[in-house]
Amino acid sequence: NAGVTQTPKFQVLKTGQSMTLQCAQDMNHEYMSWYRQDPGMGLRLIHYSVGAGITDQGEVPNGYNVSRSTTEDFPLRLLSAAPSQTSVYFCASSRDRGFGYEQYFGPGTRLTVT
Amino acid sequence: GQQLNQSPQSMFIQEGEDVSMNCTSSSIFNTWLWYKQDPGEGPVLLIALYKAGELTSNGRLTAQFGITRKDSFLNISASIPSDVGIYFCAGQNTGNQFYFGTGTSLTVIP
Repeated sequence: NAGVTQTPKFQVLKTGQSMTLQCAQDMNHEYMSWYRQDPGMGLRLIHYSVGAGITDQGEVPNGYNVSRSTTEDFPLRLLSAAPSQTSVYFCASSRDRGFGYEQYFGPGTRLTVT
Repeated sequence: GQQLNQSPQSMFIQEGEDVSMNCTSSSIFNTWLWYKQDPGEGPVLLIALYKAGELTSNGRLTAQFGITRKDSFLNISASIPSDVGIYFCAGQNTGNQFYFGTGTSLTVIP
C-alpha cells in the first residue's frame, strides 16, 4: 500500500513548455485534489475531483488542466509554463467528498520555471 | 477564497514546554483538520475534528473544534525536538473544498 505517489519529485521547465505532473493513489479514494504551496501562503487548491470523470476548479485553477479517467490517477497539466507557476505541488486524496474525510498527501513535486 | 488566519506565525520554545496555536476563520466550517509538515515532505494528518465543541487527543497533541465553528486550536504538551516542523490547520465547509491556514513554524530548542 503505497498511499499517494507523485512524479517527478523535481522538475525544471522553460517558460512556455508544457508538462504533466502525475499523481496516483492505491487506497480506492474517491476524492483527489491538487494544491500548490508557496512560501508564507499555505496550500491553495488548484483543482479537485470527487470521482472518476468529474473535476472542478479550486481557488487558483488558471494555467492548469486536470482529468480523472480512473479512480487511481489524477494528473495535473501545465499547458504553457510561466515563472509564476514555480511552486511545490501536492496531490492529496480522501475517501469521500462528504464532510470530514481526511486528506492524505503525496510527497510533492518541486517545479521551477525559468 | 476563504481566509484562515493561523497564529502565531512562528514559535521558538524550550524542550519540555507546552505549545498552543490557533486558527480562525471568517466563515463556518464543518470540519477542522490539523497537519504537520516536515521539510521536503507533504503534510501529514495529526487530528481531525467533526463536531463543534469536540476535543480530541492524539498522544501529546490535543485539538478542539470551536463552539462558533469558526475556530480551532492545537496544543502540544511537553514538546520534544521531533515536534519541529510547520503546523497547518485546514477547514472544510459545506462544499467540497478544503482551505488551509498559512502555517505555524515550530522550533524546539533542546
